[in-house]
Amino acid sequence: GENVEQHPSTLSVQEGDSAVIKCTYSDSASNYFPWYKQELGKRPQLIIDIRSNVGEKKDQRIAVTLNKTAKHFSLHITETQPEDSAVYFCALLFSGGYNKLIFGAGTRLAVHP
Amino acid sequence: DAMVIQNPRYQVTQFGKPVTLSCSQTLNHNVMYWYQQKSSQAPKLLFHYYDKDFNNEADTPDNFQSRRPNTSFCFLDIRSPGLGDAAMYLCATRPPGTQETQYFGPGTRLLVL
Repeated sequence: GENVEQHPSTLSVQEGDSAVIKCTYSDSASNYFPWYKQELGKRPQLIIDIRSNVGEKKDQRIAVTLNKTAKHFSLHITETQPEDSAVYFCALLFSGGYNKLIFGAGTRLAVHP
Repeated sequence: DAMVIQNPRYQVTQFGKPVTLSCSQTLNHNVMYWYQQKSSQAPKLLFHYYDKDFNNEADTPDNFQSRRPNTSFCFLDIRSPGLGDAAMYLCATRPPGTQETQYFGPGTRLLVL
């Protein structure tokens, strides 16, 4: 089925702390999992993605892990900065014959100086 | 970053007055999407094109129509906008394939008076 659950819905951390956002899904055939960051009034921007042939991918302070067996993937942000404050959406590319992304509900991250 | 262009960026219309939003892309991607995004929510897919093949989401209101005259351009027509149609409308493109990134345009914010 087409469903992505994202937790938490809001996350508040102190600058320098780590932030973790987790998504679980039901479409076991999906094999592409992007994460988008959306600042207020702006477009969703792809920040990192992972394909099903790897379990982890890192880009500077951002990492994504994927557990296909358990059907969950997570975004990890280390050494958070105030400019990391935004809404983060996980997504997956639905395998059911269409070319559409299924989005999680979003996590509002606030990084306090 | 001007690979997916949306015009206008802000659109004000009157209740019931037809409005057209436009999207163009320089990426030569054959998949194009229209999303509606309301405040604090994830983008909601309205429809998408795979080349000229049109795919309507089951819950997209009849009030919303789309046209894609060629690979580069895609239009969203709202025949009789209601107050509930005020939202950000996002266009996105993607090349074919199961592990490809989707790119969003900057969006058009629609206000219905």
